[in-house]
Amino acid sequence: DQQVKQNSPSLSVQEGRISILNCDYTNSMFDYFLWYKKYPAEGPTFLISISSIKDKNEDGRFTVFLNKSAKHLSLHIVPSQPGDSAVYFCAASIGSWGKLQFGAGTQVVVTP
Amino acid sequence: NAGVTQTPKFRVLKTGQSMTLLCAQDMNHEYMYWYRQDPGMGLRLIHYSVGEGTTAKGEVPDGYNVSRLKKQNFLLGLESAAPSQTSVYFCASTGLYEQYFGPGTRLTVT
Repeated sequence: DQQVKQNSPSLSVQEGRISILNCDYTNSMFDYFLWYKKYPAEGPTFLISISSIKDKNEDGRFTVFLNKSAKHLSLHIVPSQPGDSAVYFCAASIGSWGKLQFGAGTQVVVTP
Repeated sequence: NAGVTQTPKFRVLKTGQSMTLLCAQDMNHEYMYWYRQDPGMGLRLIHYSVGEGTTAKGEVPDGYNVSRLKKQNFLLGLESAAPSQTSVYFCASTGLYEQYFGPGTRLTVT
């Protein structure tokens, strides 16, 4: 029973353009959401998070949008850079200290 | 400040053998976690600990045991390895708002 879903296993985008990654969740109790980035042979690293009391959070080139009624969040990367090529995981928890449920990940490839 | 470290980085086991994976963190975090990552499935929680001397089951605990004798260390044990336990294992500890992950252990069971 996967409570966090990333339905796009891969995404290819040109350098300088916007990357949009999507994530859906089924558990309405989730109130804290995170995005992690993972390079090959490394552990995931934290990228950005959002609490359910907000609908948007920005950090430099990264913006996360949360639509609670649709149980949907998205990560926008603008502009995309070659170093952004990685696997991106969406995760959700109940409370910021709760156990994380991860999506399956989206492989992003940024082409020159 | 090394963050979260894992030992070993790679290991090949035969079916039925046992081994222990070691996770260490130097950030004084209370909460620690063990995950496994399999293709197309994201990270799944095996066991976790909310403090020294405590452990609890996660989503996929069968075939694994854990111990947290010291706050900075979290051990994951496989008593009798099976091919289904071939995976990449990640340890993590929780800071204020996010989990910090180790570099992973790639385990192959033949």
